[in-house]
Amino acid sequence: SQQGEEDPQALSIQEGENATMNCSYKTSINNLQWYRQNSGRGLVHLILIRSNEREKHSGRLRVTLDTSKKSSSLLITASRAADTASYFCAAGGGNTPLVFGKGTRLSVIA
Amino acid sequence: ETGVTQTPRHLVMGMTNKKSLKCEQHLGHNAMYWYKQSAKKPLELMFVYNFKEQTENNSVPSRFSPECPNSSHLFLHLHTLQPEDSALYLCASSPFPQGVNEKLFFGSGTQLSVL
Repeated sequence: SQQGEEDPQALSIQEGENATMNCSYKTSINNLQWYRQNSGRGLVHLILIRSNEREKHSGRLRVTLDTSKKSSSLLITASRAADTASYFCAAGGGNTPLVFGKGTRLSVIA
Repeated sequence: ETGVTQTPRHLVMGMTNKKSLKCEQHLGHNAMYWYKQSAKKPLELMFVYNFKEQTENNSVPSRFSPECPNSSHLFLHLHTLQPEDSALYLCASSPFPQGVNEKLFFGSGTQLSVL
């Protein structure tokens, strides 16, 4: 299974702090994707990192990928209350559909 | 707005009812998906349609019946559901069948409660 497993399950931080979430997966991949979900809504794609990339930035987001450890991390810098959501990783490989983990619930306290 | 619209947003049904969930995408995508999200569980992939043909059925009970009349529309027909089927049902689409570097576009979901 390509399933991503996020860690921690829940994270609570103060506004302005950085939030780091981790993801592990089991098999070889072509890409690793991160999604965000506000409560009761659909998932929104945040960023995709390819297997030959080690780091990628998008605004306040920084994603790293370590294929030797089969792990990825998502860093949100200078967090805001509006970043409160669940964050999911999903490993993409070949022609198999993405499989998601349980997600990390991030609470940013103003 | 992701370009994927799901209706209804909320649905309450009895175990003997028959209802349908609808998904429509305005993105010109060729692949569409149904996912189920239950509390404290990972997202579960249910069905995949590529160019209107079903290519994946993840051991879903027959009380869930998908229909894809064209590349823009996807339905999930529900009948004789169980209370444990209560969940958020998410539709998604992608430009091509899930392959290298494809990302998914999700609808807002239908929150289903089975009484």
